[in-house]
Amino acid sequence: NAGVTQTPKFQVLKTGQSMTLQCAQDMNHNSMYWYRQDPGMGLRLIYYSASEGTTDKGEVPNGYNVSRLNKREFSLRLESAAPSQTSVYFCASRLDTLREKLFFGSGTQLSVL
Amino acid sequence: SQELEQSPQSLIVQEGKNLTINCTSSKTLYGLYWYKQKYGEGLIFLMMLQKGGEEKSHEKITAKLDEKKQQSSLHITASQPSHAGIYLCGAGPTGTASKLTFGTGTRLQVTL
Repeated sequence: NAGVTQTPKFQVLKTGQSMTLQCAQDMNHNSMYWYRQDPGMGLRLIYYSASEGTTDKGEVPNGYNVSRLNKREFSLRLESAAPSQTSVYFCASRLDTLREKLFFGSGTQLSVL
Repeated sequence: SQELEQSPQSLIVQEGKNLTINCTSSKTLYGLYWYKQKYGEGLIFLMMLQKGGEEKSHEKITAKLDEKKQQSSLHITASQPSHAGIYLCGAGPTGTASKLTFGTGTRLQVTL
């Protein structure tokens, strides 16, 4: 089983460039999430999607946009990358039942120069 | 939003020693998750606690949620090098999707 797949694994951008991080899950999960992880900051929620067609802001949404393309896919877009967005990005998904474990992707390491 | 504080921020223990990591919230926790992250890798689910007073164990790791559901602890007995990594607690209401937030993490090193 693939689980949660993120692409790319590594990316280097110049300030002002744009890019989209892709995330797909094959577990028929309703909810999907984007987090960023910075040293000493733990995981911070950027955006989440409760279901196809809906998205909501998390703790640190500024500078990002998201698209829940369908039930499987949830993308994160940086329109104009800034050095402050250098981070490791994680996508996660979960099924909305009593057992609501989050499944995480392996992460995307992004550097903005 | 759910604010979670973890302590300590980092920990160095000798192999074979016991240790405890704490996760505290100012709000009632309706679903508390513990994850482990090996350096440079993704997150591995350890345990989820929902009920006040609940305790779960897996191998040498035990997690507890207090009766008031505002604090959780993760206890490792007889630590091993394989326990090294970053431990994160996360929480959020169960039911429909919601903002699941995480603590800042505890970095554990186990020395030989």
